[in-house]
Amino acid sequence: ETGVTQSPTHLIKTRGQQVTLRCSSQSGHNTVSWYQQALGQGPQFIFQYYREEENGRGNFPPRFSGLQFPNYSSELNVNALELDDSALYLCASSSGTGEGQYFGPGTRLTVT
Amino acid sequence: GESVGLHLPTLSVQEGDNSIINCAYSNSASDYFIWYKQESGKGPQFIIDIRSNMDKRQGQRVTVLLNKTVKHLSLQIAATQPGDSAVYFCAENPGTASKLTFGTGTRLQVTL
Repeated sequence: ETGVTQSPTHLIKTRGQQVTLRCSSQSGHNTVSWYQQALGQGPQFIFQYYREEENGRGNFPPRFSGLQFPNYSSELNVNALELDDSALYLCASSSGTGEGQYFGPGTRLTVT
Repeated sequence: GESVGLHLPTLSVQEGDNSIINCAYSNSASDYFIWYKQESGKGPQFIIDIRSNMDKRQGQRVTVLLNKTVKHLSLQIAATQPGDSAVYFCAENPGTASKLTFGTGTRLQVTL
């Protein structure tokens, strides 16, 4: 069984730039959720994708957007990066929208 | 807003002792709870989950207790080992909603 994978592992961007983060879900899982984790904090829900549609969104501005593909992998896009966007971005997959979510290793984004 | 919080930010225990990590939740609609372990530089690792129709669930060396009357969740780790050192999060899911709400975490330090 293949676990959740994310790429890249680390990324440095400049304020105002755009970034795309990628996630492959665990085999057999059709739901992907994205979280932002600031240093020393718990993960904060960004949004979830189920069957290629957004299925719930947290308190994040529209410049945070996403996609889910037919193979259930997903992308998180962030436009007009701000310094406060520096965080660990986590992807979690599950076999249903309310079931246990299994996390990937995360992508560490630094905005300078 | 609704939140999940933890009573103790840092817990230090001796190797071999039992650990108890506590969590208070405020959303009375939550019917599904998960404990995660997060080691430095890694994504959260699923430990154990429990639904609101149960008050206790056991795994390998871990037990989760749920007290819905006082909205309290605990994670018990038996015979704590150095490898258990990490930050532990409880997370709640209101069932039909898609997101998990995390607290800020408790750091478990295992001393030899």
